[in-house]
Amino acid sequence: NAGVMQNPRHLVRRRGQEARLRCSPVKGHSHVYWYRQLPEEGLKFMVYLQKENIIDESGMPKERFSAEFPKEGPSILRIQQVVRGDSAAYFCASSPGLTGELFFGEGSRLTVL
Amino acid sequence: TQLLEQSPQFLSIQEGENLTVYCNSSSVFSSLQWYRQEPGEGPVLLVTVVTGGEVKKLKRLTFQFGDARKDSSLHITAAQPGDTGLYLCAGVRDSWGKLQFGAGTQVVVTP
Repeated sequence: NAGVMQNPRHLVRRRGQEARLRCSPVKGHSHVYWYRQLPEEGLKFMVYLQKENIIDESGMPKERFSAEFPKEGPSILRIQQVVRGDSAAYFCASSPGLTGELFFGEGSRLTVL
Repeated sequence: TQLLEQSPQFLSIQEGENLTVYCNSSSVFSSLQWYRQEPGEGPVLLVTVVTGGEVKKLKRLTFQFGDARKDSSLHITAAQPGDTGLYLCAGVRDSWGKLQFGAGTQVVVTP
């Protein structure tokens, strides 16, 4: 059974470029969450999506960040015009419903030069 | 501002010793979870505690939820090198997936 798959695992971008992070949830899971982990800090909730719907994006910066979870294909976290402060590990998690257990992926580590 | 404060930030002990990690908040949570994260990987859920005063045991790990549901502790008995990792507590308030994480306690167990 495949767990949550994230790619790329590592991504390097220069300031001003775009970063796209992809997440395939556990098969059968319809709830996807994105978290960001900065060095020396805990994970911070960014956004919660279900298929084709953004349920809660209260943790996501209003500018430059967007997320989607289309009917077909993986969830995408998109960061436009990246800045150095965007350097972090981005984790995706999925759950089959409101069960209380999140399954995390291995993360995508973004470095902005 | 960290809603959940974990202490200590770092703990280094010898194999066979006991250790306790604390997770404190001024806020009430409907439930609290503990995760372990290893370098280069995502967090893995260890336990969920729901009821104030609840105690759960997972082999050598004992988890307790405070009576007021504002704090929790993780106790490891006879630690082993395989227990090395970053231990994270996470509180659930609004919805199950929207977790408030602490900054974590890095535990290192040396043989």
